[in-house]
Amino acid sequence: SQTIHQWPATLVQPVGSPLSLECTVEGTSNPNLYWYRQAAGRGLQLLFYSVGIGQISSEVPQNLSASRPQDRQFILSSKKLLLSDSGFYLCAWNGQPSTEAFFGQGTRLTVV
Amino acid sequence: AQSVTQLDSHVSVSEGTPVLLRCNYSSSYSPSLFWYVQHPNKGLQLLLKYTSAATLVKGINGFEAEFKKSETSFHLTKPSAHMSDAAEYFCVVSDENTGGFKTIFGAGTRLFVKA
Repeated sequence: SQTIHQWPATLVQPVGSPLSLECTVEGTSNPNLYWYRQAAGRGLQLLFYSVGIGQISSEVPQNLSASRPQDRQFILSSKKLLLSDSGFYLCAWNGQPSTEAFFGQGTRLTVV
Repeated sequence: AQSVTQLDSHVSVSEGTPVLLRCNYSSSYSPSLFWYVQHPNKGLQLLLKYTSAATLVKGINGFEAEFKKSETSFHLTKPSAHMSDAAEYFCVVSDENTGGFKTIFGAGTRLFVKA
């Protein structure tokens, strides 16, 4: 069966520090991978998605970047965090447009 | 370009009365549409999905949704609300685009159920 792992669960980082959130998927190949940010009243905002290794699409301009070095690995990064980067980040995958999306447990990021 | 709009940020109903959560979408192709529910401090759970088969889709917990292409809508309904239905609901569109596909969530509708 497929599983998705996302870590860390919580993170407190100072302003200006770097960020790396990692997500891996098991039990499937060539998944679509996503990074969302969830904020009250804004739903799940799509930040990045990837249809394959090295293929990253950015949905909103921001201080973050994403990479997909392997088929089932998706990384969210920042060189210098801003206070506004605080939030709840979710990694997800699906296999086809018609299939359910599966989510990691999420990372609560607090930038101080 | 695809998008999804949930027309109400909050909906409040009394227990036993009908629920209507509205969703409109835009898509250049033939989308798949979903409703997810998120209970407080819980993960996202799939309620139902439409994938070009029957336009009236039945989901879990008595919910159903009707795909109306002419209105570009996919409203979620339930005949009789239960206290346990209080949660946040997300309408989702997943569609092909250049080079692949992507999945977009609406802003969510918070459902309150009064005793």
